[in-house]
Amino acid sequence: AQSVTQLGSHVSVSEGALVLLRCNYSSSVPPYLFWYVQYPNQGLQLLLKYTTGATLVKGINGFEAEFKKSETSFHLTKPSAHMSDAAEYFCAVTTQGGGNKITFGTGTQLKVEL
Amino acid sequence: KAGVTQTPRYLIKTRGQQVTLSCSPISGHRSVSWYQQTPGQGLQFLFEYFSETQRNKGNFPGRFSGRQFSNSRSEMNVSTLELGDSALYLCASSPTQQGYNEQFFGPGTRLTVL
Repeated sequence: AQSVTQLGSHVSVSEGALVLLRCNYSSSVPPYLFWYVQYPNQGLQLLLKYTTGATLVKGINGFEAEFKKSETSFHLTKPSAHMSDAAEYFCAVTTQGGGNKITFGTGTQLKVEL
Repeated sequence: KAGVTQTPRYLIKTRGQQVTLSCSPISGHRSVSWYQQTPGQGLQFLFEYFSETQRNKGNFPGRFSGRQFSNSRSEMNVSTLELGDSALYLCASSPTQQGYNEQFFGPGTRLTVL
């Protein structure tokens, strides 16, 4: 079984400040980890993913995340927040052999203030 | 390339009725997954179809069913609707059943049960 925990259902940052969204996972087998973003009244869009190899992965819109096996974490960061980053962010996990069944975290609503 | 399309976008039904939602995946994608999104339960996996066969199933009652056609289009059916079925239903497509692939989400169908 696999699970994902996102710490903080709401995060607020100032424009230009660092964005840090936290995600911890639980999986009995090596995980595939994802961050998706959802804008109001839209579906989900992939920001980045970790499957194997380099543990620091870069995604779209300046976001990146680091897979830390020892900490079972996959936190999402962006050095400088922009107003357009305001959205809901979901950490997610699948596993080899699990098909495309995604287990999502509960989501973090990011607010960016002037 | 056209994205994932879902029809209808909005639907209002009354308790006890049944409903059918449709999803057209990206051309060439053979895997279609369905998710339910509610404020209380978040994003929950319903089922996945690949090559017209259900490959994965989430923890939903038998009132929720689906199917996939030879052109990979998928339909989801909910019978005997309950108030708690009100949700955003998202469809996602992927080229394979390998969990490391990105899943592409449609905009969703918002179902309201009165």
